[in-house]
Amino acid sequence: DQQVKQNSPSLSVQEGRISILNCDYTNSMFDYFLWYKKYPAEGPTFLISISSIKDKNEDGRFTVFLNKSAKHLSLHIVPSQPGDSAVYFCAAREPGGGSNYKLTFGKGTLLTVNP
Amino acid sequence: DGGITQSPKYLFRKEGQNVTLSCEQNLNHDAMYWYRQDPGQGLRLIYYSQIVNDFQKGDIAEGYSVSREKKESFPLTVTSAQKNPTAFYLCASQKQSSYNEQFFGPGTRLTVL
Repeated sequence: DQQVKQNSPSLSVQEGRISILNCDYTNSMFDYFLWYKKYPAEGPTFLISISSIKDKNEDGRFTVFLNKSAKHLSLHIVPSQPGDSAVYFCAAREPGGGSNYKLTFGKGTLLTVNP
Repeated sequence: DGGITQSPKYLFRKEGQNVTLSCEQNLNHDAMYWYRQDPGQGLRLIYYSQIVNDFQKGDIAEGYSVSREKKESFPLTVTSAQKNPTAFYLCASQKQSSYNEQFFGPGTRLTVL
């Protein structure tokens, strides 16, 4: 059963507009959420994160919103640029015993920003 | 520069052969992870290690083995028992403290012929 879901496999937006990528989760024990960006044949790179005690975190053009009651988070990119075209993965962390931190990843959303 | 290296970038093996994928980090991170990515799939956890000489199975450990003899190194062996070994393999490391993200290597594309 998928605990982290990215229901949109792809998203296409115009350069300069807002990109909104969505992520839903089912495990209420998740306490930390991350977004990664991945280009083909490369490793993912960390973008932005949010703790479950917050509802918003902003870093430049990237903002992540967390709605705990709905178990939903979203990544907003404003303004979108062609270089933002990549696959975006949502990930969630469930704290385990000791220092056991595992991440559960969604399947990713392919963002295409058109010039 | 600090980072994670995976070698080689592309690897070809014949069916039935074991193959070992290298992962080295000089970030002084305690934890290391191996993931597998297939087309249209997210990253699935194979094995992880929180400390030297200790490791745990992830969600899809069958057909794989690992070792953690040094803090810097976490090699993954894909054995002949792995039914669908062709995939993109990613290694990651993490500093063991709260709210630190995992850093990923560039990945190894394994193709079994």
